[in-house]
Amino acid sequence: SQTIHQWPATLVQPVGSPLSLECTVEGTSNPNLYWYRQAAGRGLQLLFYSVGIGQISSEVPQNLSASRPQDRQFILSSKKLLLSDSGFYLCAWSVKGNYGYTFGSGTRLTVV
Amino acid sequence: QQPVQSPQAVILREGEDAVINCSSSKALYSVHWYRQKHGEAPVFLMILLKGGEQKGHDKISASFNEKKQQSSLYLTASQLSYSGTYFCGTEIDRNRDDKIIFGKGTRLHILP
Repeated sequence: SQTIHQWPATLVQPVGSPLSLECTVEGTSNPNLYWYRQAAGRGLQLLFYSVGIGQISSEVPQNLSASRPQDRQFILSSKKLLLSDSGFYLCAWSVKGNYGYTFGSGTRLTVV
Repeated sequence: QQPVQSPQAVILREGEDAVINCSSSKALYSVHWYRQKHGEAPVFLMILLKGGEQKGHDKISASFNEKKQQSSLYLTASQLSYSGTYFCGTEIDRNRDDKIIFGKGTRLHILP
């Protein structure tokens, strides 16, 4: 069966510090991968998505970046965090085709 | 491009019915529905494809009106476990990209 792992679960980082969030998927090949962010009490904002290794599409220009170094690994990074980067970061995957997304358990990031 | 959900919030008593609507200004390829419990990741409920269709999932069903670019989620005889925030996600062009954009969500609270 397929599983998605996302870590860490919570993170408190100072303003200006770097960020690296990792997401891996097991039990499938060539998945579509997504990073969403959810501000407190708000909707789900698509940040990046990838349909294959090294293929990254950015939805929102900001100080975040994403990489997909391996087929089932998706990394969200920042060189310098801002207060506005705080939120609930969710990684998701889907099989190509008409299928729903499966979300990871999320990382709650607080920038102080 | 973000779909519009209505209502923003609903309070029901157990056993009552609810309808949540999702509309788009663009022609849609598909509509997804998800439920998110507080502090958890969203969970996929169902996907509806263009061509207009209706789907059911226990006492939760949905319809997709392609002409109006609208989808509705129907919760029949609501149970306490139905409480949460419901998101619709819309996909516009499968050939160009493979991503969904979520609405702002509808908070559903079921009272005993």
